[in-house]
Amino acid sequence: DGGITQSPKYLFRKEGQNVTLSCEQNLNHDAMYWYRQDPGQGLRLIYYSQIVNDFQKGDIAEGYSVSREKKESFPLTVTSAQKNPTAFYLCASSILAEEQFFGPGTRLTVL
Amino acid sequence: GENVEQHPSTLSVQEGDSAVIKCTYSDSASNYFPWYKQELGKRPQLIIDIRSNVGEKKDQRIAVTLNKTAKHFSLHITETQPEDSAVYFCAASIQAGTALIFGKGTTLSVSS
Repeated sequence: DGGITQSPKYLFRKEGQNVTLSCEQNLNHDAMYWYRQDPGQGLRLIYYSQIVNDFQKGDIAEGYSVSREKKESFPLTVTSAQKNPTAFYLCASSILAEEQFFGPGTRLTVL
Repeated sequence: GENVEQHPSTLSVQEGDSAVIKCTYSDSASNYFPWYKQELGKRPQLIIDIRSNVGEKKDQRIAVTLNKTAKHFSLHITETQPEDSAVYFCAASIQAGTALIFGKGTTLSVSS
């Protein structure tokens, strides 16, 4: 668990503001993922990346962007186009074909 | 794409009873089915997983069964304890390590 970290733990966003959530792992995992968790909705996939410089959209990618310039890092930007961003955001990583390990999460609130 | 349905959404049992949570999936190509436990305010953690070449897998008090023909899989917890209280999520993917599609979760409450 300690091998995947997210920051900050809490984040507040004003209307019309872009914010970036950090996700770092030192597990040497190839694949990284971003999920959004809302009460009663489970975890929904935003983006995932199986290799550096490549990523794919998940079910709810609109209003979000990502980059994968380094194997260890997969930051998520919540843009002003995301109209309802208040949620708990979870990052995960895995060796391809193995289980996913989750970070501790970032709770984003729109003011 | 894949869709995963999970039932029930809430489950209350007495300590020592068994608990069963069921999930169905839509994509017959799915072949990896993990179960995660999430305690309040914490990250999900894998408790057991099963691949499509196996029908049942056990780990102490927990077991998972898979019926590929019917496209459903279930989590069984025996001799429940208060510390089993949490939200449990099932998930499915075409292969382990690719994107997971999650069910909406089951809130399990074990009362002593």
